[in-house]
Amino acid sequence: KAGVTQTPRYLIKTRGQQVTLSCSPISGHRSVSWYQQTPGQGLQFLFEYFSETQRNKGNFPGRFSGRQFSNSRSEMNVSTLELGDSALYLCASSLGHRDRSASPLHFGNGTRLTVT
Amino acid sequence: GDSVTQMEGPVTLSEEAFLTINCTYTATGYPSLFWYVQYPGEGLQLLLKATKADDKGSNKGFEATYRKETTSFHLEKGSVQVSDSAVYFCALSASSGAGSYQLTFGKGTKLSVIP
Repeated sequence: KAGVTQTPRYLIKTRGQQVTLSCSPISGHRSVSWYQQTPGQGLQFLFEYFSETQRNKGNFPGRFSGRQFSNSRSEMNVSTLELGDSALYLCASSLGHRDRSASPLHFGNGTRLTVT
Repeated sequence: GDSVTQMEGPVTLSEEAFLTINCTYTATGYPSLFWYVQYPGEGLQLLLKATKADDKGSNKGFEATYRKETTSFHLEKGSVQVSDSAVYFCALSASSGAGSYQLTFGKGTKLSVIP
């Protein structure tokens, strides 16, 4: 069974630009979550989508947005990039059940975004 | 809010040494607890989990017990191998409306095992 696939693996952007990251979940998984990983702040929750609806959102500015398609694939977008947005962005998928023990998160290998 | 505190790294051990990585948490309600591992250049992999007090999660020789009285979930392994070198993250999940849940992670502990 294929795992969570994130594209691209690496991105270099300039301040002020925008970027779109893509995530394909494990087949059958309906929930997709996004996390930002930086050396200073560690792993921080961005948002979760379930059946094309945003179900939860972390404490990030409105420049960070996402969406989920009917096939459960997800994209996240960051507009007006800042140097501090440089990070590893991780996508995770799960079945999305309310029973968390039955629905662990499976992570992709991430997209490394560098903003110059 | 919820938080996870784990021991600062890096931790360097010789092969076959005993490993303990401490993890304590603060949460409302009854969170589920997890240990994730991250190898260089990769995402996070679920190592083990526990969903209620006194549960013991185990996998690949690693163990952790959910201790509600001490709000702890320490990771242990009796004999580490070079291949265990990685960054280990303790995490908790607590439901937040509409059935969603998010993981709150500790800062991570880098483990290096030398032959």
